[in-house]
Amino acid sequence: KNEVEQSPQNLTAQEGEFITINCSYSVGISALHWLQQHPGGGIVSLFMLSSGKKKHGRLIATINIQEKHSSLHITASHPRESAVYICAVRSDWQGGSQGNLIFGKGTKLSVKP
Amino acid sequence: NAGVMQNPRHLVRRRGQEARLRCSPMKGHSHVYWYRQLPEEGLKFMVYLQKENIIDESGMPKERFSAEFPKEGPSILRIQQVVRGDSAAYFCASSQGLAGYEQYFGPGTRLTVT
Repeated sequence: KNEVEQSPQNLTAQEGEFITINCSYSVGISALHWLQQHPGGGIVSLFMLSSGKKKHGRLIATINIQEKHSSLHITASHPRESAVYICAVRSDWQGGSQGNLIFGKGTKLSVKP
Repeated sequence: NAGVMQNPRHLVRRRGQEARLRCSPMKGHSHVYWYRQLPEEGLKFMVYLQKENIIDESGMPKERFSAEFPKEGPSILRIQQVVRGDSAAYFCASSQGLAGYEQYFGPGTRLTVT
């Protein structure tokens, strides 16, 4: 079982729909990141959070530390937001492993006009 | 303030050649991370460096791969005697510090081994 699991793997939506992508993790973490990757493109960091909720425009990220679960929401989705969304966690201090991120496999979102 | 820079963006090497990937972190960032994304797979951590030091290389293959982050100049990921299985996108990220600091990603280097 992967340490970071995302669902769904693939998601197709109509423009304007409300989107939710889920992330569950099994390790102790100091922070959780949501990243966006366009096809053939680079990686953009959307959010880093360790508790509660963050909002940026139509994107909202929440985390529940007790349940080891995070969600990324997109309100009123748009075709330009078609991309792969990746959840990544930074594990707790464990000797030399505290610096790296552990990634989910990503959720491929396609928003149709 | 320029973002994280990586070059080259695309690199083609024949089997057995060496590949050198460069990463210039954001200004003021002294922490660099290298990640690899194999085709159709997720990102995987390779190595974490601070200036002149390797802090965590637990994700690096034991042979043929090495990384450095000298006092002056970019961080280098070096792959000797490349094989087809090394074909992947290699991403570098940088941060100001460790705990509580966001990592900013570069555009990646896409390595193709023929």
